[in-house]
Amino acid sequence: AQSVSQHNHHVILSEAASLELGCNYSYGGTVNLFWYVQYPGQHLQLLLKYFSGDPLVKGIKGFEAEFIKSKFSFNLRKPSVQWSDTAEYFCAVNYMFSGGYNKLIFGAGTRLAVHP
Amino acid sequence: DTAVSQTPKYLVTQMGNDKSIKCEQNLGHDTMYWYKQDSKKFLKIMFSYNNKELIINETVPNRFSPKSPDKAHLNLHINSLELGDSAVYFCASSLRPGSTDTQYFGPGTRLTVL
Repeated sequence: AQSVSQHNHHVILSEAASLELGCNYSYGGTVNLFWYVQYPGQHLQLLLKYFSGDPLVKGIKGFEAEFIKSKFSFNLRKPSVQWSDTAEYFCAVNYMFSGGYNKLIFGAGTRLAVHP
Repeated sequence: DTAVSQTPKYLVTQMGNDKSIKCEQNLGHDTMYWYKQDSKKFLKIMFSYNNKELIINETVPNRFSPKSPDKAHLNLHINSLELGDSAVYFCASSLRPGSTDTQYFGPGTRLTVL
């Protein structure tokens, strides 16, 4: 079955530290990849997405992610985090199934806490 | 000018009751979804509708019945509520049901069953 794994459940960083959150997905043919963020008490917002082309994608708020097909990975990075980046981060993979339908499958999320 | 809205935001009820959650999107999208986020923050799709037609129906108890009166609305009715139904329910919408279509999420409805 298709699945998405996020390796770090909790990450604690100081401001200005660099961030890398891991995401791996199980092979499922054609996939499209997303990172969503959920700030405390708020709804999920799209950070960035990858469909094709340059495997290094840039998103909002200085985030970027790199798609490495051979490793089935789509890791999220930010060179210097801020206190306002404290949130839950979700990797999601949209798998295409036979019959023409697709399904967005989420990882378990990584809770990031940034200390000033 | 909220894109995807849900009501109510919080819902506290007793076991055995029936309740509904409403969702509306003003993005002009064709496709809408219901997700359940459990206490460990794990998000899982429950249903998806495209142009008022059900296209995804995950392994969800029959007590859950979605209804889409039009493309802009997708409501979720839950009968005979159980403790395990306590969760945050998110509605989402996308332009089409395609895999490259970004899903936009509502603010969530926190359901607590006592």
